Amino acid sequence: GAGVSQSPSNKVTEKGKDVELRCDPISGHTALYWYRQSLGQGLEFLIYFQGNSAPDKSGLPSDRFSAERTGGSVSTLTIQRTQQEDSAVYLCASRVGGGYEQYFGPGTRLTVT
Amino acid sequence: DQQVKQNSPSLSVQEGRISILNCDYTNSMFDYFLWYKKYPAEGPTFLISISSIKDKNEDGRFTVFLNKSAKHLSLHIVPSQPGDSAVYFCAAAYNAGNNRKLIWGLGTSLAVNP
Repeated sequence: GAGVSQSPSNKVTEKGKDVELRCDPISGHTALYWYRQSLGQGLEFLIYFQGNSAPDKSGLPSDRFSAERTGGSVSTLTIQRTQQEDSAVYLCASRVGGGYEQYFGPGTRLTVT
Repeated sequence: DQQVKQNSPSLSVQEGRISILNCDYTNSMFDYFLWYKKYPAEGPTFLISISSIKDKNEDGRFTVFLNKSAKHLSLHIVPSQPGDSAVYFCAAAYNAGNNRKLIWGLGTSLAVNP
């Protein structure tokens, strides 16, 4: 069956530009997470969506970061005025409503030059 | 402050032997623990989990042990195979409002040598 997909797989952008990263979760999964992994670091939680509840944005590092989830499915993570420290792999994960296991996409490698 | 610690950044074992990956945690609120495996250029893949009410869970070659009093868990892989070479992440879960949050360790890179 189809897993979590993310696009693009790689993105190179100039400092100061805006970028949008897309996540298609597993069909039927009500929960969706965004993480980022910088070089040599663990997974850093960014934002969480669960059904129609207000998202948990507690992990967003600054107001340049935002995310939305349309129709309870596809999610877009937007980074405005990118900085070099935003360079990382951005991972999306989804899970069913009653479980703990999260299923990850392949990630988007963002490089800000 | 790391609430989930994987103190060994890397581990090397011979094919056929046992691999033991360790994880320590500090928060007593964690009630579920998971191990993930990650290959380069791929997202983490769920491997095995354990509830805090249990002390052992086994799935094929993979067994996770939980010692709540020591706040320690370990993943045993027996026998180890070259295809097991990957980065292994330990994650601990708790409920934060309506969010089931996972707190992640930094990972242990396992190399299984033929």
